[in-house]
Amino acid sequence: RKEVEQDPGPFNVPEGATVAFNCTYSNSASQSFFWYRQDCRKEPKLLMSVYSSGNEDGRFTAQLNRASQYISLLIRDSKLSDSATYLCVVRTGTASKLTFGTGTRLQVTL
Amino acid sequence: GAGVSQSPSNKVTEKGKDVELRCDPISGHTALYWYRQRLGQGLEFLIYFQGNSAPDKSGLPSDRFSAERTGESVSTLTIQRTQQEDSAVYLCASSSSEVGIQYFGPGTRLTVT
Repeated sequence: RKEVEQDPGPFNVPEGATVAFNCTYSNSASQSFFWYRQDCRKEPKLLMSVYSSGNEDGRFTAQLNRASQYISLLIRDSKLSDSATYLCVVRTGTASKLTFGTGTRLQVTL
Repeated sequence: GAGVSQSPSNKVTEKGKDVELRCDPISGHTALYWYRQRLGQGLEFLIYFQGNSAPDKSGLPSDRFSAERTGESVSTLTIQRTQQEDSAVYLCASSSSEVGIQYFGPGTRLTVT
């Protein structure tokens, strides 16, 4: 079983739609969780950290469910510019090494 | 301020040749990471440097791959006797003490012909 699993998609949604991605992780000792965004042929960039209580940043909401070992990302009012691959990222242990999921591809259309 | 830089941005080499890829992390970042990303695939961890500690080499796929880091600055990833399956984008990232926030360079696209 992979450490971090994501549905690869693609998710094709119209502008203005709400879309949600889930990600599961296998190690219950994982401590930190993040969503990164990767545009086509570009490097990954941090989108947001995921906190136990859930957190929101504008149109983006991240949730963590430790009991079920999954993380979610909700995007409201999708924009064309949201089209990208969203990477679920987990840190386990004391080192700062991260494990990246293979990503979920989002395509927002007119 | 300056971000992570990598050179070259593109490298085409013949099978069997050695290549060196360079990464300049953000100044002051103690941790540096190398990843490989094949076309359409996820990030594959290769190696991690943290300060003066021994590097975590657990992701290096074979003994043809090696990496060095000079203090807390430049790192080079060396691939010896390149094979076609080494073709990928090689990404470098660095982070400070704020654990988990990695900043990536633009990558080196390696093509082995």
